[in-house]
Amino acid sequence: AQSVSQHNHHVILSEAASLELGCNYSYGGTVNLFWYVQYPGQHLQLLLKYFSGDPLVKGIKGFEAEFIKSKFSFNLRKPSVQWSDTAEYFCAVNLRGGGADGLTFGKGTHLIIQP
Amino acid sequence: DTGVSQDPRHKITKRGQNVTFRCDPISEHNRLYWYRQTLGQGPEFLTYFQNEAQLEKSRLLSDRFSAERPKGSFSTLEIQRTEQGDSAMYLCASSRQGAGGELFFGEGSRLTVL
Repeated sequence: AQSVSQHNHHVILSEAASLELGCNYSYGGTVNLFWYVQYPGQHLQLLLKYFSGDPLVKGIKGFEAEFIKSKFSFNLRKPSVQWSDTAEYFCAVNLRGGGADGLTFGKGTHLIIQP
Repeated sequence: DTGVSQDPRHKITKRGQNVTFRCDPISEHNRLYWYRQTLGQGPEFLTYFQNEAQLEKSRLLSDRFSAERPKGSFSTLEIQRTEQGDSAMYLCASSRQGAGGELFFGEGSRLTVL
């Protein structure tokens, strides 16, 4: 069964620091990859996605992620974080063409940005 | 608001009672998903519908869980004979067919079983 691993469950950074959140998946087939964000008191929102093409994808609010197929990784990055980036971040994978078409999520990373 | 809506947002019940949650998806989305999220975990896929057809239900947690989408629009998730372990956030999401898995989530229904 496919699984998603997020390396850091809690990350604390100061404003303007650079961010990288790790994500690895276990499935070796063709997948679609996602990062979702959940701000305090809000619903899950799509941050960015990768289906095919350029492995470096850009999302909302200055976030980007790089798909490295050989490493089964899809790490999330932001060069300079803001206090408003405090949130829970989830990596997710979908088996392309799979029957269930449901997303498999990692456990999430709780990011706290200190002013 | 044209997003996914869920009702109720919070439900407190006693062990052994039945509970039902409702989800109204984005109107033009024909796929609807139910997930469960517990503290410290990511959302866990339960079931999904394409229109009124339930195409995947093997991941429902037990036979106490059931879901319906009778007219292909709103959906309900019912938990019978609730147990304390059922306490969680139940999330609904919708998508268009062929969207590659991009889901739009509601705010969730939080269940507390006493």
